[in-house]
Amino acid sequence: AQSVTQLDSQVPVFEEAPVELRCNYSSSVSVYLFWYVQYPNQGLQLLLKYLSGSTLVKGINGFEAEFNKSQTSFHLRKPSVHISDTAEYFCAVIEGAQKLVFGQGTRLTINP
Amino acid sequence: GAVVSQHPSWVICKSGTSVKIECRSLDFQATTMFWYRQFPKQSLMLMATSNEGSKATYEQGVEKDKFLINHASLTLSTLTVTSAHPEDSSFYICSAAPLGGADTQYFGPGTRLTVL
Repeated sequence: AQSVTQLDSQVPVFEEAPVELRCNYSSSVSVYLFWYVQYPNQGLQLLLKYLSGSTLVKGINGFEAEFNKSQTSFHLRKPSVHISDTAEYFCAVIEGAQKLVFGQGTRLTINP
Repeated sequence: GAVVSQHPSWVICKSGTSVKIECRSLDFQATTMFWYRQFPKQSLMLMATSNEGSKATYEQGVEKDKFLINHASLTLSTLTVTSAHPEDSSFYICSAAPLGGADTQYFGPGTRLTVL
């Protein structure tokens, strides 16, 4: 079965600083990868997804992620964060049985 | 577009009672809907997958007689927590997939259930 590991449970950064949220997945023949954001007491919003094609994926709110097959990683990056980016971020992978498997989540805290 | 609503957004009930949570796709039809459970400060765990007009497929360890799922139309799925107990207290989130595949899911805002 597929699994996803988010290496950091919490990431504090200062406003306007760059950030990287790390995600590794278990290897598979084909992989679909996702990043979602969850604001407090809300559902999930899709930031970006990789299905195929270019390994650099650009998403909403200035986020991007790079699919690295050799390192089985799909790290999320943003060059300059804003207070409003404070949220929980989930990396996810689709299993062959067509279901999303989520990582443990990373809480991004932006300090002024 | 692609809005999914859940009702209620929060509910408090007494132990032993049943609670129904609705999940609606407002501006699209959803062949498949998913139900997730999220404990505080934890990740989402898939509970079941429901396809319109057929029985839901439950994940291992999820009691189908306790968590009743009905997907009677292409825009509505319901989750009923029967004989709720305090350990059922959680954040329940649904998602809807317009094309039926898990790669395109639109999530509802969630329902917080507290069982006293």
